[in-house]
Parts: sequence; C-alpha cells; structure tokens
Amino acid sequence: QKEVEQDPGPLSVPEGAIVSLNCTYSNSAFQYFMWYRQYSRKGPELLMYTYSSGNKEDGRFTAQVDKSSKYISLFIRDSQPSDSATYLCAMSEGYGGSQGNLIFGKGTKLSVKP
Amino acid sequence: DTAVSQTPKYLVTQMGNDKSIKCEQNLGHDTMYWYKQDSKKFLKIMFSYNNKELIINETVPNRFSPKSPDKAHLNLHINSLELGDSAVYFCASSRGPGVVYGYTFGSGTRLTVV
Repeated sequence: QKEVEQDPGPLSVPEGAIVSLNCTYSNSAFQYFMWYRQYSRKGPELLMYTYSSGNKEDGRFTAQVDKSSKYISLFIRDSQPSDSATYLCAMSEGYGGSQGNLIFGKGTKLSVKP
Repeated sequence: DTAVSQTPKYLVTQMGNDKSIKCEQNLGHDTMYWYKQDSKKFLKIMFSYNNKELIINETVPNRFSPKSPDKAHLNLHINSLELGDSAVYFCASSRGPGVVYGYTFGSGTRLTVV
C-alpha cells in the first residue's frame, strides 16, 4: 500500500517539545485529510480533520495540508507524556461511498519522555 | 458505556476453522465498517454498511462475509481461516457514510490463526 507514506518511527522526544509528524501521498485526487491517534491495544480516534489545503488548529494540535507538494503535517506543541501513541494520517478522495474510502498511513509511533 | 464494542478481544484458532467476530455500537450511527490492520500496521477497509445495506466491499476473499441484522450491529464471519488472516480486525461506525463525520473505532479483535 504505497498511496500514503508515513515514517513509522519510533520518534522519542522530551516533554514540552514540539513534535512534527508528516505524511506524503501520491494520489492528487485526495481532498479530505485526517489525523487519528491510536493508543496501544486500542482503536484509532479522530484528532483532526481538514478539507483541501490550509491549516487547522485545535488546542496544542495544528494540522497543515499542502496539496501542491502532496504533503500533510501534524504539529503538537508542548508535548505531554499522554501524547505517547501512534499517529495515523488518513485521506480520501471524496465525502462518501467508494470515494469516501479512507486510505491510512502506516502510523508514526511517538513517545514523549517526562 | 462502550461506544463501539467488539467481541471477542482475542481469538486464537486453527487453520480451516470458521469463526465470527461481533460488533455493536450504541451511538445511534447509521454507518458501520470493518477494517483490517495487518502486521505492517496498515489499516485497510474491508466492508462498509449504511443502514444495513452494503455500500463498500473492497477486494477481500469471499471467505469473509459481513452480516448486519440491524444498523447497530455488524458481524464478520470468516470461513476456512488461513494463516494470512492473522491480524487485528477493527469495527468502526460513523453518523453517515461520509468520512468527514469521523469514525469511532472499537478496540479491535486480535485474530491469530495457527
């Protein structure tokens, strides 16, 4: 599955650091971009959702989409040990039906050390 | 109150057996999904049901058969299990068939075929 590439890590940072997580993709038809967080032995949970290019901020989390470069990022400010999890990017061409099929990256495992 | 619950959490079985995984959601969502997360951690959609009707059926072996008795339940039956079926299977639900609603995932069923 090469449509979405994501460095699996692991990524280890000290508490309070700014974390940058990234995905690249090849399908220029992708329009909807999401970040999911998955704790160990749990299902993924939706963190952020963006449509097309641009930035979106929610508390300590900022999602960026650069469609011209086919590159999306998730920034975590003031990282906390509770942020330790696997972060998966996901994207789709359309809103629903078969076009709404979410394509996931492999996930980046993040560890925030106290 | 668990929003999306799957049973069993763990399943170890021999090749050739038939097994079922059950999923129930109490969120009042209209759409339910089955995802497979393989050993390489890729999450890939298998099936999607909206109001008990199949709307996404990705290329999976016909040994896998989903059944939705009502919109709160989506079960997965697997015939003639093979070693390659070993994975974590996640059930998910959303308010509608659009990705923008975000999915609520269950905690997964870890299937090991020996």
